[in-house]
Amino acid sequence: DTEVTQTPKHLVMGMTNKKSLKCEQHMGHRAMYWYKQKAKKPPELMFVYSYEKLSINESVPSRFSPECPNSSLLNLHLHALQPEDSALYLCASSQGGAHYEQYFGPGTRLTVT
Amino acid sequence: QQQVKQSPQSLIVQKGGISIINCAYENTAFDYFPWYQQFPGKGPALLIAIRPDVSEKKEGRFTISFNKSAKQFSLHIMDSQPGDSATYFCAASKEGSGGGADGLTFGKGTHLIIQP
Repeated sequence: DTEVTQTPKHLVMGMTNKKSLKCEQHMGHRAMYWYKQKAKKPPELMFVYSYEKLSINESVPSRFSPECPNSSLLNLHLHALQPEDSALYLCASSQGGAHYEQYFGPGTRLTVT
Repeated sequence: QQQVKQSPQSLIVQKGGISIINCAYENTAFDYFPWYQQFPGKGPALLIAIRPDVSEKKEGRFTISFNKSAKQFSLHIMDSQPGDSATYFCAASKEGSGGGADGLTFGKGTHLIIQP
């Protein structure tokens, strides 16, 4: 089973709202990732968590705040977003160590109004 | 700086034909090269991947060819079917500082259409 689940599927939020995206995997993977994908573009890496520690932050604005409460869960907290932040937010996981295969969830379609 | 260059941007192939998508990379530290398939509104799905120690890998109708000296790799889809119509991304990764892999660096994608 290579399933990564993401909730919610769709989210519409105003620029003053605070919301969170959730990602879950039960494959025992030790690395988890957040990507952002704009329409007709490739996914762009935002954050990497390895063994529950933040190992990569690709200079993402502080209005995006990741959190890894345990090895199965990854959250992305959103605050004071801009309309240009509207995109598909993808979560992925991989086993870690020498196993690089990343499995993506279906994504959360975010619209900022 | 685009580290993984992908071509063509779009491709139309007749049913039963061979679809070929090419990628080139710049960073010699990359040591893992996957291909992903993405349908509209869905997350990318891992198709096939290769490491630099082999020159070719085949899984069903999908084959990756890898040329380490040229820093190029390609995806071949044999007997292409209308259900293969999707966007295909090549990607590259390397060992991360935190253990395990870094994130993926993607090519810009190829929109593939298989005509019946």
